[in-house]
Amino acid sequence: DVKVTQSSRYLVKRTGEKVFLECVQDMDHENMFWYRQDPGLGLRLIYFSYDVKMKEKGDIPEGYSVSREKKERFSLILESASTNQTSMYLCASSTQGAGWTGANVLTFGAGSRLTVL
Amino acid sequence: GQNIDQPTEMTATEGAIVQINCTYQTSGFNGLFWYQQHAGEAPTFLSYNVLDGLEEKGRFSSFLSRSKGYSYLLLKELQMKDSASYLCAASDSNYQLIWGAGTKLIIKP
Repeated sequence: DVKVTQSSRYLVKRTGEKVFLECVQDMDHENMFWYRQDPGLGLRLIYFSYDVKMKEKGDIPEGYSVSREKKERFSLILESASTNQTSMYLCASSTQGAGWTGANVLTFGAGSRLTVL
Repeated sequence: GQNIDQPTEMTATEGAIVQINCTYQTSGFNGLFWYQQHAGEAPTFLSYNVLDGLEEKGRFSSFLSRSKGYSYLLLKELQMKDSASYLCAASDSNYQLIWGAGTKLIIKP
């Protein structure tokens, strides 16, 4: 069974802490994505990567950074967590093809619910 | 601007049929996706349409009208396990996905 695994399902952090969210996929996918999901809003893209060591800003990159040192792993970093970063974070991956996400189906992880106090 | 609209919540009866609508406005268009997301779980792919018309896949069908910027997901013979949120997403000219807020479908016995 193909998998996108997010290391932490639930995290509680304090304002100002550095937070690492890890995502690993076992499908040899080129593309990886980080989204956040908030009630009443569509998924919002934070960052994506189409190759190792490559990264591209999405719609809401402020306050976040990413790292992709290996093809299978894509990490999201909150340098100094703030309460407005309390959210569900979803990692996804897809194969390379027509554009970054053209007709490529996304496989999602189960999500990491982050609460910042 | 780019946006996607879908109803926030719908209720239907087990065994019945339900249609979830999605309208979109994007800069260019490279297809329309539907995903299902059970509470606390990952979204999973249901369908992709890029040409006008109806795509049928078992109990689920998806329809697209590019000229109207409109799609729907049709679920037949509803089962309790179909209770979930259904996410609509359109791919724009840069192949970036624009997501709707999701439709929460409640199935009653």
